[in-house]
Amino acid sequence: SQELEQSPQSLIVQEGKNLTINCTSSKTLYGLYWYKQKYGEGLIFLMMLQKGGEEKSHEKITAKLDEKKQQSSLHITASQPSHAGIYLCGASPWSTSGTYKYIFGTGTRLKVLA
Amino acid sequence: KAGVTQTPRYLIKTRGQQVTLSCSPISGHRSVSWYQQTPGQGLQFLFEYFSETQRNKGNFPGRFSGRQFSNSRSEMNVSTLELGDSALYLCASSLGLAGVLGTDTQYFGPGTRLTVL
Repeated sequence: SQELEQSPQSLIVQEGKNLTINCTSSKTLYGLYWYKQKYGEGLIFLMMLQKGGEEKSHEKITAKLDEKKQQSSLHITASQPSHAGIYLCGASPWSTSGTYKYIFGTGTRLKVLA
Repeated sequence: KAGVTQTPRYLIKTRGQQVTLSCSPISGHRSVSWYQQTPGQGLQFLFEYFSETQRNKGNFPGRFSGRQFSNSRSEMNVSTLELGDSALYLCASSLGLAGVLGTDTQYFGPGTRLTVL
């Protein structure tokens, strides 16, 4: 089973509309990252959340880590075509048998219609 | 400050061949991680190098190997290529090692698109 679940898997919105993407973990999160990826390209770092209840904003994108630190939401206000892409959440550290690794969600594909 | 660079950007190989991919991290970053991204499996962690030593490893066969040089540049090698190795290979660098909060934010390169025929 996927350790980081994202919802929805894909989203099509009209320009100007608000939207929310969720990332749910099966474990307590100690560091949660949001990235944006254009198709076939590398990931662009958006923001990092560390503390339960923490909220950060970058331009029209706001992300929050909930109190129990098992879910994060990414909210885009007044979406624009430039917001289109794949949004991925990532968690660190993630320990299995004493070794750490980064894990990523399945991604949410966003399309914004002009 | 220059970002993470990866070479080559595109590569076409045939089954059975081997391939080497290169990654240059952001200046000052000592950790380099490698990932494989496919439509079916998503982004999967391959391994992480820090100070020329492999510190963490994902669940990939031994055909996937890597190394890191004293200048933090890293190479990844895949031997005996299979069709299923076709993927986007991403490299990421960070100041610190995974698990060291505050210095482990990863910055990704543009990736190398590998196609195995």
